[in-house]
Amino acid sequence: EIVMTQSPATLSVSPGERATLSCRASQSVSSSLAWYQQRPGQALRLLISAASTRATGIPARFSGSGSGTEFTLTISSLQSEDFAVYYCQQYNNWPRTFGQGTKVEIK
Amino acid sequence: EVQLVESGGGLVQPGGSLRLSCAASGFIFSSSWMSWVRHTPGKGLEWLAYIKQDGSETYYVDSVKGRFTISRDNAKNSLYLQMNSLRAEDTAVYICGKGGWYPDYWGQGTLVTVSS
Repeated sequence: EIVMTQSPATLSVSPGERATLSCRASQSVSSSLAWYQQRPGQALRLLISAASTRATGIPARFSGSGSGTEFTLTISSLQSEDFAVYYCQQYNNWPRTFGQGTKVEIK
Repeated sequence: EVQLVESGGGLVQPGGSLRLSCAASGFIFSSSWMSWVRHTPGKGLEWLAYIKQDGSETYYVDSVKGRFTISRDNAKNSLYLQMNSLRAEDTAVYICGKGGWYPDYWGQGTLVTVSS
């Protein structure tokens, strides 16, 4: 099973600032990496697939990069609605596995 | 608008069974792979199973293989998860997703508590 490790566990950022979230895979997942957002009380929302392809309707301030074992989600200028938990997930191998999440909180 | 609504959760004793449902709307259900994951505070998100459009292929994570069964009824736009031999560690919020690789829509989940 591929283990996905996200860092940091919590990221404190001021509105308007840039946030950089990391995700590391225990072995290569090529570019088969997705990012999700979960706001309190809401369902998971797909942000990024194939490491860098934004899902339909996702604002351009969200961008993904990386391949192999190292991935990054960048939120260029945090808006109030972006304070949430973010998960990475690999789909290169079965079972699909998620990271433990990074909580982005207001500084 | 795509909607996925889970139901069927509740309190069950260890060794018991439960059948979860996921009612889908707003998309062509019969054309979509579908998945079940669960979420616990301790273990985080765990992908349990996924099923092909016509139900001919299913995949399970080892922790539930032989105990859980994923199925679907395309005529009813519904996905199911039959859970048998439940254990305390199966306590979680169970969530269905549209897709088998990176679901683009998810439900909010239904809580299953396994306790005596």
